Amino acid sequence: QQPVQSPQAVILREGEDAVINCSSSKALYSVHWYRQKHGEAPVFLMILLKGGEQKGHEKISASFNEKKQQSSLYLTASQLSYSGTYFCGTDQGAQKLVFGQGTRLTINP
Amino acid sequence: EAQVTQNPRYLITVTGKKLTVTCSQNMNHEYMSWYRQDPGLGLRQIYYSMNVEVTDKGDVPEGYKVSRKEKRNFPLILESPSPNQTSLYFCASSVRSPQSNNEQFFGPGTRLTVL
Repeated sequence: QQPVQSPQAVILREGEDAVINCSSSKALYSVHWYRQKHGEAPVFLMILLKGGEQKGHEKISASFNEKKQQSSLYLTASQLSYSGTYFCGTDQGAQKLVFGQGTRLTINP
Repeated sequence: EAQVTQNPRYLITVTGKKLTVTCSQNMNHEYMSWYRQDPGLGLRQIYYSMNVEVTDKGDVPEGYKVSRKEKRNFPLILESPSPNQTSLYFCASSVRSPQSNNEQFFGPGTRLTVL
């Protein structure tokens, strides 16, 4: 089951904060976050494991609520370089990642 | 340099003409995977391979074939391409399966157009 990401798109000014949510209807073992810049391949950001463990990357952090089957990505004091499409990939226990439809983030100066 | 390579990067073909997209990784990764990316649908897995000679269907396998004869190579075969297979294709690899909490490394992508 493909997880649902929200919002589908967001536009920010440099320095503003954003939250991207990823919600699944199936139990999750872990959540992986990737960022894809326009015309490029997705690049790994972080993995969130069971137990609500938070992992951070630069000024990007995330959380994982396994009971609610949700993960959220927090972008603090956004920079121009954060622009791109963010994907959550969910491990639903079947030797594969199931990705959400993506959230397009645009950061303006 | 550690990388995943795909060839060709761009391909325009006609309906029914068999084609192969190659994927190779130089990181000695066990797990390899093919995805297609379509607007509004995100990344959808076509096939994956846990190791040499071990392959399995992903979420959208219809119309595709794969093989894993060597650890480094994982070609994607379209025996009779159709216009609905027009898409952006990514190959990815990781040390082991996602359940081992490994990051996936993606190739640069292959943009396929089937007329």
